Amino acid sequence: GAVVSQHPSWVICKSGTSVKIECRSLDFQATTMFWYRQFPKQSLMLMATSNEGSKATYEQGVEKDKFLINHASLTLSTLTVTSAHPEDSSFYICSASGTMNREQFFGPGTRLTVL
Amino acid sequence: QQQVKQSPQSLIVQKGGISIINCAYENTAFDYFPWYQQFPGKGPALLIAIRPDVSEKKEGRFTISFNKSAKQFSLHIMDSQPGDSATYFCAASRGSNYQLIWGAGTKLIIKP
Repeated sequence: GAVVSQHPSWVICKSGTSVKIECRSLDFQATTMFWYRQFPKQSLMLMATSNEGSKATYEQGVEKDKFLINHASLTLSTLTVTSAHPEDSSFYICSASGTMNREQFFGPGTRLTVL
Repeated sequence: QQQVKQSPQSLIVQKGGISIINCAYENTAFDYFPWYQQFPGKGPALLIAIRPDVSEKKEGRFTISFNKSAKQFSLHIMDSQPGDSATYFCAASRGSNYQLIWGAGTKLIIKP
């Protein structure tokens, strides 16, 4: 089956620093990748959608200058949280979709804690 | 109109019983309805999905029932097992837009 990996699985950083999260599709080409944020006991909140080689499309209320998304290849997308603050602490999940159907395959998530 | 309403918020079922989770939508343009299973600290995993041209789809112990006229769809888990304890999300999307509209989630607990 389609496998999506995320790295790191968890990260702790100091307030004001930047953190990069990688999302990789391991066995298929992901034409579209999605980044989600999930708070405890809540549903997934879509942050942005990115297509390979194009600028990401951000959802309303998501600061594009704070959450930088790069989808440079068909197997890799990165999310950089710039100048992180404690309120950015959350569970970040990526998903990837290929050209064959609409299935989204999810990564295992990254737990970000900003001190 | 973009919302997907999911119920119940939480559900406790005895081992061997049937777990039923319901979702309702308003946007008749939705044409893809997946269910995801999520364990604590993990990303969601696709369980089963249905398109509106069929009324039911079964995969193992998991069945989706779809009622187009009522704009409702539900997940049935037969012979529920403790390992099924997780949070379940329904979702919907439309056309060539791959974006999923998510339900609020149901925390399912299967009592041994």
